[in-house]
Amino acid sequence: GQQVMQIPQYQHVQEGEDFTTYCNSSTTLSNIQWYKQRPGGHPVFLIQLVKSGEVKKQKRLTFQFGEAKKNSSLHITATQTTDVGTYFCAAQGNTPLVFGKGTRLSVIA
Amino acid sequence: NAGVTQTPKFRVLKTGQSMTLLCAQDMNHEYMYWYRQDPGMGLRLIHYSVGEGTTAKGEVPDGYNVSRLKKQNFLLGLESAAPSQTSVYFCASSQGTRSQPQHFGDGTRLSIL
Repeated sequence: GQQVMQIPQYQHVQEGEDFTTYCNSSTTLSNIQWYKQRPGGHPVFLIQLVKSGEVKKQKRLTFQFGEAKKNSSLHITATQTTDVGTYFCAAQGNTPLVFGKGTRLSVIA
Repeated sequence: NAGVTQTPKFRVLKTGQSMTLLCAQDMNHEYMYWYRQDPGMGLRLIHYSVGEGTTAKGEVPDGYNVSRLKKQNFLLGLESAAPSQTSVYFCASSQGTRSQPQHFGDGTRLSIL
């Protein structure tokens, strides 16, 4: 079945540093969604990308969808302690959403 | 709005026991999903439903059954619990098309001894 690879699995950063997580698929995707899960919480939808090469921003977060619609990235500028959590990409192909394994972000104050 | 409500929040079972997890949503969503989350494994889809009276298998359906008798409810059953089913279970719902965002409940932490 469809799989999405998400890297890195863990990332520890100093507060104020930037952070990026990557999501890759071997097949062309209809769209890709990003979710954030705080420790002990549930996944919360952040954004959806649909168009080839699409770039969307939410304050310090920048989301990109690759030109071939096979990869995506989430970049956080100047991380804050409130950014702590696990970030998941979720790929939409011909099946229900398939979630990556997530990138767990730790921010050291 | 309550959104997606899961009951119970915690449960401990003995191997071989059965139980049902309940998911209820008040957003009139067509699609509902059950996931399990294990450390380092992300979210894996167990079963899903595209409407009242329908169910379909996901990535890891073995050992689980589901029912969607009412649009707002999606039940996940474990007929004979096994230690390998110890996990955190999340229910989610979304509007009609598959490209819509999923809204998650708070999860059920299930331990099987």
